[in-house]
Amino acid sequence: KNEVEQSPQNLTAQEGEFITINCSYSVGISALHWLQQHPGGGIVSLFMLSSGKKKHGRLIATINIQEKHSSLHITASHPRDSAVYICAVSSGGSNYKLTFGKGTLLTVNP
Amino acid sequence: DGGITQSPKYLFRKEGQNVTLSCEQNLNHDAMYWYRQDPGQGLRLIYYSQIVNDFQKGDIAEGYSVSREKKESFPLTVTSAQKNPTAFYLCASSIGARMLEAFFGQGTRLTVV
Repeated sequence: KNEVEQSPQNLTAQEGEFITINCSYSVGISALHWLQQHPGGGIVSLFMLSSGKKKHGRLIATINIQEKHSSLHITASHPRDSAVYICAVSSGGSNYKLTFGKGTLLTVNP
Repeated sequence: DGGITQSPKYLFRKEGQNVTLSCEQNLNHDAMYWYRQDPGQGLRLIYYSQIVNDFQKGDIAEGYSVSREKKESFPLTVTSAQKNPTAFYLCASSIGARMLEAFFGQGTRLTVV
């Protein structure tokens, strides 16, 4: 069974700060997803990674397959970035199933 | 715009009643999924369907049932057999069965009183 661990569990930052959220997993994967969940509950897919690095606006996601670790970075954080960020991995041949981390609650204060 | 629509957003039911949560997608995705989210826990898979008229149990299928009569629709029924039905339910869809380009709905918060 693939375990997914996120850190930190909670993160409070001041507007403008650089933020890093970490995700570690225990077995080989075919892809890793970073998701964003706002207070209303809906989830948006931010990135899907299988290697290297991806960037979208102020968000950057990296993955190190050898170390089984991924990071999500937010540059110049803003209060609207406040949300729960969830890491999920897919593994196995069918890749039908995601294993989710418990999420990181980010609060960015003005 | 393509997307997934879950309805209703909030649902209240009395204990012992079955309730059906709706999930519709217009993304032409083959695969659809239902997840349950409880406070302090990661999302857990209830059921998934890779094609019409076929679905498979996930990790926590007991007390739930689904149907997939149309590609666009994957309703979830929470039956009276589900011992702890109060939770947040999320529907998702993806291209094929590999969770590629996964899209998620806005969720339904079910409260059983």
